[in-house]
Amino acid sequence: DADVTQTPRNRITKTGKRIMLECSQTKGHDRMYWYRQDPGLGLRLIYYSFDVKDINKGEISDGYSVSRQAQAKFSLSLESAIPNQTALYFCATSDPGGLGGNTQYFGPGTRLTVL
Amino acid sequence: AQKVTQAQTEISVVEKEDVTLDCVYETRDTTYYLFWYKQPPSGELVFLIRRNSFDEQNEISGRYSWNFQKSTSSFNFTITASQVVDSAVYFCALSEWETSGSRLTFGEGTQLTVNP
Repeated sequence: DADVTQTPRNRITKTGKRIMLECSQTKGHDRMYWYRQDPGLGLRLIYYSFDVKDINKGEISDGYSVSRQAQAKFSLSLESAIPNQTALYFCATSDPGGLGGNTQYFGPGTRLTVL
Repeated sequence: AQKVTQAQTEISVVEKEDVTLDCVYETRDTTYYLFWYKQPPSGELVFLIRRNSFDEQNEISGRYSWNFQKSTSSFNFTITASQVVDSAVYFCALSEWETSGSRLTFGEGTQLTVNP
């Protein structure tokens, strides 16, 4: 079984709808992240959480919200989806890292299309 | 602010050729980490390597090798004797230890196509 799972894998929705993307991990990591990928722009950080009570905005958090329900679960919500939120969304997890750095491990991605 | 630049948007080679993917980074931190990830056509992101700023030794793993040079702020990735299965988008990423809480900043990615 995959260590980091995302549901749904694909979603098509309409402008104005509320959408929730879910991420679960079995790696036992404290840190979780949500990124979006757009063609030619690489991945950009939306939100990140270092533990259940610590949630932080990334560089493109407008229009998104998150919930860290447990150490293993981190959900991303689009309260009112708009077409420019059409993208590939990735969840990632990592250990704190210490001097070894924090390698982030990614889920398989959710392809979201907003019509 | 941290920044990663992958100037090569697309590279196309013929199988068995060697290919180097360039990565240049900017950071004010003295402690930082550099990464390479592979994104095959199936879409997942696969971790390839992590390097910290104190270790400038080059690394080789099979046909893959990485050249880290702090003097030029570069962390280049070479694939020797490329294969069709190497076709993917490759991302270089930077994590600053002191200022960004270890969040990753990605480059735009390089699309590598290896033709048979």
